[in-house]
Amino acid sequence: KAGVTQTPRYLIKTRGQQVTLSCSPISGHRSVSWYQQTPGQGLQFLFEYFSETQRNKGNFPGRFSGRQFSNSRSEMNVSTLELGDSALYLCASSLKRDTYEQYFGPGTRLTVT
Amino acid sequence: LAKTTQPISMDSYEGQEVNITCSHNNIATNDYITWYQQFPSQGPRFIIQGYKTKVTNEVASLFIPADRKSSTLSLPRVSLSDTAVYYCLVITFGNEKLTFGTGTRLTIIP
Repeated sequence: KAGVTQTPRYLIKTRGQQVTLSCSPISGHRSVSWYQQTPGQGLQFLFEYFSETQRNKGNFPGRFSGRQFSNSRSEMNVSTLELGDSALYLCASSLKRDTYEQYFGPGTRLTVT
Repeated sequence: LAKTTQPISMDSYEGQEVNITCSHNNIATNDYITWYQQFPSQGPRFIIQGYKTKVTNEVASLFIPADRKSSTLSLPRVSLSDTAVYYCLVITFGNEKLTFGTGTRLTIIP
């Protein structure tokens, strides 16, 4: 069974631009969560989607948004990029909501210049 | 979510058993203890989960004392490929908001 895939793997953007990252969960998984990982802050939860609805949200500004499609694929968008948004963005999927076991993708490395 | 405290780094030789301890003093009744492993440029990988006593799977064991204020991940006979960062997490069942601790960087020495 294919794992979680994320596209693109690497991205370079300029301050002020916006970016959209994509995540395809493991087939059959309905819950998708997003995380930001930086050397300074470590892994931080962004939001979780289940059945096309945002169920949980972390402490990030409104510039960070996401959505989930009917096939469980998910996208996250960051508008008005700042230098501090440079990070590894990880997507994780799980079969259902009530689980501690999430499967992570390889991440998208975003660099903002 | 309960806060976890782990050693920042550990070194071990190949073939030895490695024990990584995590402190979670304010763990709640409904919380579960989980461990993830992360290699450079990869997403974290689930290793093991437990609630109390001992849990064992094909790659690790997890020891949780009765008070559940700490837990120990045990990796038997480590190899160079076990060099990674290990994260302890305490999760409230039903809460998909994983808050990772700072992790323990394990380095295996040949």
